[in-house]
Amino acid sequence: EAQVTQNPRYLITVTGKKLTVTCSQNMNHEYMSWYRQDPGLGLRQIYYSMNVEVTDKGDVPEGYKVSRKEKRNFPLILESPSPNQTSLYFCASKTGGDEQYFGPGTRLTVT
Amino acid sequence: GQNIDQPTEMTATEGAIVQINCTYQTSGFNGLFWYQQHAGEAPTFLSYNVLDGLEEKGRFSSFLSRSKGYSYLLLKELQMKDSASYLCAPRAGANNLFFGTGTRLTVIP
Repeated sequence: EAQVTQNPRYLITVTGKKLTVTCSQNMNHEYMSWYRQDPGLGLRQIYYSMNVEVTDKGDVPEGYKVSRKEKRNFPLILESPSPNQTSLYFCASKTGGDEQYFGPGTRLTVT
Repeated sequence: GQNIDQPTEMTATEGAIVQINCTYQTSGFNGLFWYQQHAGEAPTFLSYNVLDGLEEKGRFSSFLSRSKGYSYLLLKELQMKDSASYLCAPRAGANNLFFGTGTRLTVIP
């Protein structure tokens, strides 16, 4: 089944404790992206990757890192999480000019 | 810059027709997507318009006017399961998708 998977789905952590949210897709898509979704603000892009070893900042990259060592994986790294990074995070992937396929989401709470 | 405007909430009756409007100002505009998102779930693709006009897909249709910076999503024969948020997402260039805050549609019996 073609899909985008994210782990973990839910995470509660404390300020400053490094965490990684994994994202994997099995559709051989070149393009992958991370978004955060907050009430009243909609989906905002954090980082995106056009292909392996090619990443670029989206609209709200501060406080986040990404890597793209393999085509299928695009982890999101929070080196020192803060409460303002409490949000619902979505990973997405696509190929060419097609629509983006979204993962199921990761609900992160930073206390 | 990017500016996307769509109503925050709408209510419609089961079996009826509803139109969700979206206006946008997008530098480097290259098409517009509509996504459906049920509460707490991932957005799912509904439609894509790159040229002016109406695209019909079953009960859902989407319209685009590039000169007016305007799109709408038309949902016919509403069902209870259509209660969800509908996200207007213009694209800039090949890859940059910008999402509106969404319109929360409630379908009542």
